[in-house]
Amino acid sequence: LAKTTQPISMDSYEGQEVNITCSHNNIATNDYITWYQQFPSQGPRFIIQGYKTKVTNEVASLFIPADRKSSTLSLPRVSLSDTAVYYCLVGATDSWGKLQFGAGTQVVVTP
Amino acid sequence: EPEVTQTPSHQVTQMGQEVILRCVPISNHLYFYWYRQILGQKVEFLVSFYNNEISEKSEIFDDQFSVERPDGSNFTLKIRSTKLEDSAMYFCASMSAGEPQNEQFFGPGTRLTVL
Repeated sequence: LAKTTQPISMDSYEGQEVNITCSHNNIATNDYITWYQQFPSQGPRFIIQGYKTKVTNEVASLFIPADRKSSTLSLPRVSLSDTAVYYCLVGATDSWGKLQFGAGTQVVVTP
Repeated sequence: EPEVTQTPSHQVTQMGQEVILRCVPISNHLYFYWYRQILGQKVEFLVSFYNNEISEKSEIFDDQFSVERPDGSNFTLKIRSTKLEDSAMYFCASMSAGEPQNEQFFGPGTRLTVL
């Protein structure tokens, strides 16, 4: 499993866009990039997954450059309820295996 | 929307006692997992389960841990002789094998407190 590096914390105000960049220099050809969100005292929740270029859903966008050595999760116009820990994970989707969580990025949104 | 459920939400036990944490995965899912998260630390993988057997386990999952799928709906984690350091949130997760993306669905967790 590729090692990932992401900032420990980020602060933002309501209504701003939050961009969290994750580095994964050793990503393998068949690895996908997946982001999870975790609120306090809750289980992690899948946000978005991508392989290359850009993926967008109703919650977030994921930008992946051509070399795939990094990725950026973009949260548009955050609200107080987006305060959570965000995890970047890299691995093959056909492995059916464990998720290896790092420390994640604590995002704090204030009014 | 279907969800993973876990019981109890909070379990308090004495050191050395056995505990069983219960999970009901999403009904059509085939892959099941247990994770734990010690307060203030990262989520750690314990074990994965598929086709009625363990497919992978971490070094944390030693002989005091066991998992079982006793019927078609429940998935349990047993800790035979709890230690103080077993105090943590325990999360169950399940996953289908469908395309295009395979995401794990986590339950709300059981907070285990060992005294």
